[in-house]
Formats: sequence, C-alpha cells, structure tokens
Amino acid sequence: AQSVTQPDIHITVSEGASLELRCNYSYGATPYLFWYVQSPGQGLQLLLKYFSGDTLVQGIKGFEAEFKRSQSSFNLRKPSVHWSDAAEYFCAVRRKGGADGLTFGKGTHLIIQP
Amino acid sequence: NAGVTQTPKFRILKIGQSMTLQCAQDMNHNYMYWYRQDPGMGLKLIYYSVGAGITDKGEVPNGYNVSRSTTEDFPLRLELAAPSQTSVYFCASSRQGAWQFFGPGTRLTVL
Repeated sequence: AQSVTQPDIHITVSEGASLELRCNYSYGATPYLFWYVQSPGQGLQLLLKYFSGDTLVQGIKGFEAEFKRSQSSFNLRKPSVHWSDAAEYFCAVRRKGGADGLTFGKGTHLIIQP
Repeated sequence: NAGVTQTPKFRILKIGQSMTLQCAQDMNHNYMYWYRQDPGMGLKLIYYSVGAGITDKGEVPNGYNVSRSTTEDFPLRLELAAPSQTSVYFCASSRQGAWQFFGPGTRLTVL
C-alpha cells in the first residue's frame, strides 16, 4: 500500500531563514505529488504539484519542491520564510490515472521565530 | 465562484444521533471526496465519487454513507454517531482527478 512519510512533526525556523520540509513516499510507481498548506482553522490550500517533466517545480508564495526519483522524495523549500508561513504543511500523493483520493503524510507544523 | 462550501461549520452530536454533512461545489468538477482529519494525523479518505450516481469507499468508510444525485452536491451521512467519529471533516473536488480543492471543513464532536 502507498504511504507518505513526513519525518519532522515540528520545525522551528527564524524569520528570514531558509526552510526545507521533507517528504518521502512509498509507491509502486511514481505517483502525482502535492504539497498543501493548512492555516489554523482553515481548509487546505495547494502550494504546488508534480505530475511529470521538470523535477523542480515552483508553487505559490515563493515555495518550490524537488522530486528525486532515486530517493522517493519530494522536499519542499523556501529561501526566506515570513511570519505568515507559520502553518501545517502536508505532503500528499495520488495514483496516476486514477480517480481515488489523496494519501497524506501526517503533516509538519512550522513555527516561525521572530 | 464560491468554490467548495461545507455546512455546518461546527456541530455537537450525542452518541447514537445521526446527521448529514453538506458539501457543494460550483466549479463543475466531476470528482468529489470526503476526508476526515484527526489530531496529529493527515487526512484519511472516507468516500469519493467520480460523478452523479457513482460512489466508492475510501480508506475509512465504516459508519458513513454518501450519495451523489447531482454534480454539485456530495452529502456525507453519519448514522448512529460514535465518539470515534469526533473529527474535522473536509470535502474536496477536482476535475479529472487531478489536484483537489478543499472546503473549509466541519468540526464535529460526538459526546
């Protein structure tokens, strides 16, 4: 069965510092890959997605992610975080070509220090 | 566009009661989904639908039922509510099963 691992439950970063959130997946074939962000009490917003092609994908709010097939990873990065980036971040995967739902990691809670 | 809307935002149920969580989307998406989110966990799929009249079980369907009579609406029914169903419920929709748009969620407590 497919699974998604986000090894960091909490990460604390100083405002202006760089950020990397880790995501590894276990799947029979390369799935579609997503990062979503959830602010407190809100729904999930798509940050970026990878379907195929260029392994470095750009998203909204200055985020990017790199797909590494050899490591089954899809890590999220931002060069300089802002206090407004404090939120819960979820990595998710979905089977290509199917209609079934997303499989989510457990999330990483990002705390921004002033 | 309102996107994906969910009602109610909050609800407290007693054990054994039933209720329907409403979900609607105005983006003409054919695929719709219901997830639940428990503290410290990611979202888990309850049910999904690929079009009106077609539904299928997800990872955690027990205790829930769904129907899809129109493209726009995808209600989730809880029969005989149990404390284990205390959770935040999210509805989502997508076109061609690609990336999903999420609603704001319904926070349900069963006491």
